[in-house]
Amino acid sequence: NAGVTQTPKFRILKIGQSMTLQCAQDMNHNYMYWYRQDPGMGLKLIYYSVGAGITDKGEVPNGYNVSRSTTEDFPLRLELAAPSQTSVYFCASSYSRYEQYFGPGTRLTVT
Amino acid sequence: QKEVEQDPGPLSVPEGAIVSLNCTYSNSAFQYFMWYRQYSRKGPELLMYTYSSGNKEDGRFTAQVDKSSKYISLFIRDSQPSDSATYLCAMSPSGNTPLVFGKGTRLSVIA
Repeated sequence: NAGVTQTPKFRILKIGQSMTLQCAQDMNHNYMYWYRQDPGMGLKLIYYSVGAGITDKGEVPNGYNVSRSTTEDFPLRLELAAPSQTSVYFCASSYSRYEQYFGPGTRLTVT
Repeated sequence: QKEVEQDPGPLSVPEGAIVSLNCTYSNSAFQYFMWYRQYSRKGPELLMYTYSSGNKEDGRFTAQVDKSSKYISLFIRDSQPSDSATYLCAMSPSGNTPLVFGKGTRLSVIA
């Protein structure tokens, strides 16, 4: 049981490039989330999904897109990367809203 | 006023001390209260979960919720160096709305 996996672990992007952060879970959870964490700023919700085919915006969705075609996978797409998107990105999944299981994170630098 | 306020610390205590970590909030609709622990360069993990007011104890950890004061606390007894981490409070009005996280308090327990 791998839990929540995220790839890549690290990435450096140039301004204007695009990339997809991958997230997968093997716990059959319906809820999945993408957060970003900036130093000293806590976790900000980017997008979330309550099931396959259903996604909704969180607090900071601008510059990101998501899709949820299967229960297991919830990729996050960055289009036209900007320095403000330099952050650590966490994917999480849950059976209920409270006990969210987090992945190990992706450290992204945009220069 | 931010929805959830948490002193970022850092907080440094000697091994064996009792630690008190706190969050205040402004939304009186919050009913579900959680504490997550995050080790350096790892994803957060759920530590304690409380519904509505009252206390909950789990080993050396006690979570308290005072809804009349809009104040929640996490107490750690007999603190250990392995408790050194960032502690994030999180809360939600209901099971169907996303969690709102505090910024986290960084704790160091010195041997």
